[in-house]
Amino acid sequence: GAVVSQHPSRVICKSGTSVKIECRSLDFQATTMFWYRQFPKQSLMLMATSNEGSKATYEQGVEKDKFLINHASLTLSTLTVTSAHPEDSSFYICSASPLRVLNWEDYGYTFGSGTRLTVV
Amino acid sequence: QKEVEQNSGPLSVPEGAIASLNCTYSDRGSQSFFWYRQYSGKSPELIMSIYSNGDKEDGRFTAQLNKASQYVSLLIRDSQPSDSATYLCAVTPTNAGGTSYGKLTFGQGTILTVHP
Repeated sequence: GAVVSQHPSRVICKSGTSVKIECRSLDFQATTMFWYRQFPKQSLMLMATSNEGSKATYEQGVEKDKFLINHASLTLSTLTVTSAHPEDSSFYICSASPLRVLNWEDYGYTFGSGTRLTVV
Repeated sequence: QKEVEQNSGPLSVPEGAIASLNCTYSDRGSQSFFWYRQYSGKSPELIMSIYSNGDKEDGRFTAQLNKASQYVSLLIRDSQPSDSATYLCAVTPTNAGGTSYGKLTFGQGTILTVHP
């Protein structure tokens, strides 16, 4: 259980274009999804919390107009990197929190497989 | 002070030895603690979660939590070359309601190398 699918796994785009990344919960409903970014040789940093049916909450220093998040259903959240630049090149990873968890001690937050974005 | 700190590493141990990974956290109200393993180019994979003081064992892995000292550790017994990876300690903060949820704060990671 608790499988999170992320697509695409790898994308190369030209500077100035936009890229959309999808995060899906396959076997559970997720009211909340989380988007992280990981630069080379660094740890994961939370970018934003995506809430189904409402606006995302962005962490300090993350531009909400550049990183557009849409959580239109209980199984899908998308992150769109708008007007991408080389400094946006990174590993983007999502995770999801179930709508209901019977026993939180049995639940470990599952991550998608990640998207390697390269902006050239 | 960083919110979650791990021993800096890299850590190198011989095959069959015990690898010890340490993590301290600053939010005294934190309730949920996780160890993830991350291979190069891959997303993190959950190894252990621990919520109560004491030890929790799962196969070759043992997580230890001491909330009074704000310390969590991971022991890997009988280390194998396949255990070579970056190990990430993650903590969920308490929110206004006093409960934790899926927002994770990660340590900087410890690179473990198990040599044959």
